[in-house]
Amino acid sequence: ELKVEQNPLFLSMQEGKNYTIYCNYSTTSDRLYWYRQDPGKSLESLFVLLSNGAVKQEGRLMASLDTKARLSTLHITAAVHDLSATYFCAVDTNAGKSTFGDGTTLTVKP
Amino acid sequence: DTGVSQDPRHKITKRGQNVTFRCDPISEHNRLYWYRQTLGQGPEFLTYFQNEAQLEKSRLLSDRFSAERPKGSFSTLEIQRTEQGDSAMYLCASSFEFNRGPYNEQFFGPGTRLTVL
Repeated sequence: ELKVEQNPLFLSMQEGKNYTIYCNYSTTSDRLYWYRQDPGKSLESLFVLLSNGAVKQEGRLMASLDTKARLSTLHITAAVHDLSATYFCAVDTNAGKSTFGDGTTLTVKP
Repeated sequence: DTGVSQDPRHKITKRGQNVTFRCDPISEHNRLYWYRQTLGQGPEFLTYFQNEAQLEKSRLLSDRFSAERPKGSFSTLEIQRTEQGDSAMYLCASSFEFNRGPYNEQFFGPGTRLTVL
């Protein structure tokens, strides 16, 4: 059974600082997703990573994928308050369904 | 609005009652997924359809749960004899899947929050 683990589960950062969220998964997969969820809201797709070595960047967020290590990272550069949210990684099996991690709740403080 | 829509957005029911939720996917998407999310957890897969065919069901989906997508467009999720443990956010997502191409990005609806008293 595919397991997806994120760490840390809670992250409190100061504005302007950098940090990385890690996502490990237990079996081979060819697709990994990062989502953002604001309190009481649904999930917003951030990145789709399809191959080993894939790197995608949007604003202050950069995601990468290492399929050999079964590891994805979400790097936050110079955090701002608007980035406060819960971030989920999800891994897709060949069957198409996604298995999600438990999420990382990020709080950015001034 | 051309995104995924769900109805109702909130449902409060008493234990033992039946409830039904509806999901309207993005019109050109052939896949439709149902997930359940409880507080502090990531979404858990329940079931998914490709067109009108239900291809997989999670063991989380007990006999009290049934989902349909009769014409390959909208889908319904019914929970019979609700229990307090069914209280959760029920999320629907849709995607376009073709020959395992790079298109299977899932777009999520706003969710239906179910509270069972």
